Amino acid sequence: KAGVTQTPRYLIKTRGQQVTLSCSPISGHRSVSWYQQTPGQGLQFLFEYFSETQRNKGNFPGRFSGRQFSNSRSEMNVSTLELGDSALYLCASSFVEYTGELFFGEGSRLTVL
Amino acid sequence: TQLLEQSPQFLSIQEGENLTVYCNSSSVFSSLQWYRQEPGEGPVLLVTVVTGGEVKKLKRLTFQFGDARKDSSLHITAAQPGDTGLYLCAGYNFNKFYFGSGTKLNVKP
Repeated sequence: KAGVTQTPRYLIKTRGQQVTLSCSPISGHRSVSWYQQTPGQGLQFLFEYFSETQRNKGNFPGRFSGRQFSNSRSEMNVSTLELGDSALYLCASSFVEYTGELFFGEGSRLTVL
Repeated sequence: TQLLEQSPQFLSIQEGENLTVYCNSSSVFSSLQWYRQEPGEGPVLLVTVVTGGEVKKLKRLTFQFGDARKDSSLHITAAQPGDTGLYLCAGYNFNKFYFGSGTKLNVKP
């Protein structure tokens, strides 16, 4: 069974640009969530999508947005990039809602210059 | 906010030593997971505990869920360099996950 796939793995952007990250969940998983990980703040929840609807949202500015498609694939977008947006962005998919188990991708490493 | 506090934050030990990592909260969770993350990779699920008082063993790793389902511990016996990584606990309630800040473990050969 293929795991969670995130693209791109690495990318470099400059301040003010925007970026789109993609996530393909494990087949059959309908929930996709996104996290930002930095050395100082740890793992911070961005948002979660279930059946194309945003179900939960973390405390991030509106520059961070996402969506989920009918095939459960998800994208997140960050507009007007700031230096502080440099981080590892992790996507996770989930199927078993009761026990809540997340399966993470390898992440997209974003560097903002 | 349902916070999870992990301790210690950092742990550096010699190969063969035992260690315990703690994950504490004032909130009750329907389940709790432990993940291990290696540098540059995503976290990998190690175990899920659901029942208060539950103990699960995974080779040299022993996980325990507190009776009140508010806390958990991870005990590693005879640590090996391959155990090096960031250990994260995560509580789950009502479709939301709450992650601890993590314990960075370094096992020296």
